[in-house]
Amino acid sequence: EVLVVESGGGFVQPGGSLRLSCAASGFTFETYWMSWVRQAPGKGPEWVANISPDGSAKFYVDSVKGRFSISRDNAKKSVYLQMNSLRTDDTAVYYCAGSLHYWGQGTLVTVSS
Amino acid sequence: IVMTQTPLSLSVTPGQPASISCRSSQSLHSDGKTHLCWYLQKPGQSPQLLMYEVSNRFSGVPARFSGSGSGTDFTLRISRVEAEDVGIYYCVQNKELPTCGQGTKVEIQ
Repeated sequence: EVLVVESGGGFVQPGGSLRLSCAASGFTFETYWMSWVRQAPGKGPEWVANISPDGSAKFYVDSVKGRFSISRDNAKKSVYLQMNSLRTDDTAVYYCAGSLHYWGQGTLVTVSS
Repeated sequence: IVMTQTPLSLSVTPGQPASISCRSSQSLHSDGKTHLCWYLQKPGQSPQLLMYEVSNRFSGVPARFSGSGSGTDFTLRISRVEAEDVGIYYCVQNKELPTCGQGTKVEIQ
């Protein structure tokens, strides 16, 4: 059975930091591109970042460049999103996704004063 | 790459067909493939992959769903809509870091 489980969301003030974690099982994690995808209330999904199977290639949406960093640990079958300098418009449910088709249930990040 | 969907909402009688159009701001063809997929997000759930590379149904997706198109213009068709098909449909390009259309909300009349 495939499982993708996100953790680390919560409430943070503007300018603060959070680190999201994603633990995967049930598929060959080390061969998959992994992504973080967010969805603000009432909006469509937005791919925030993705990372190649070996971690050598990383891509970010313009709005988070310089603030967010994606990384992975294939031995732990985990992917991470370090989020710094958070803004109110970063408020969203953050999903971890394996390739196009393995998605978690999401973790809520709320940025508010 | 900007993705544009039409219509933004659709009300369908069960058993009737439905179609959703999607246009990309540039060609999605690369490396011998066309990088366009479709998702359905049911209320309260994560998006689920329906189609990839334009016309390939993902595992478990009913045969009533089909995809077509090339270059920059694409269509998702449902041959006979069922009640379980309600939700928001998104076209997504994955030629680069993926981007979504605005979504098409499908409801049952």
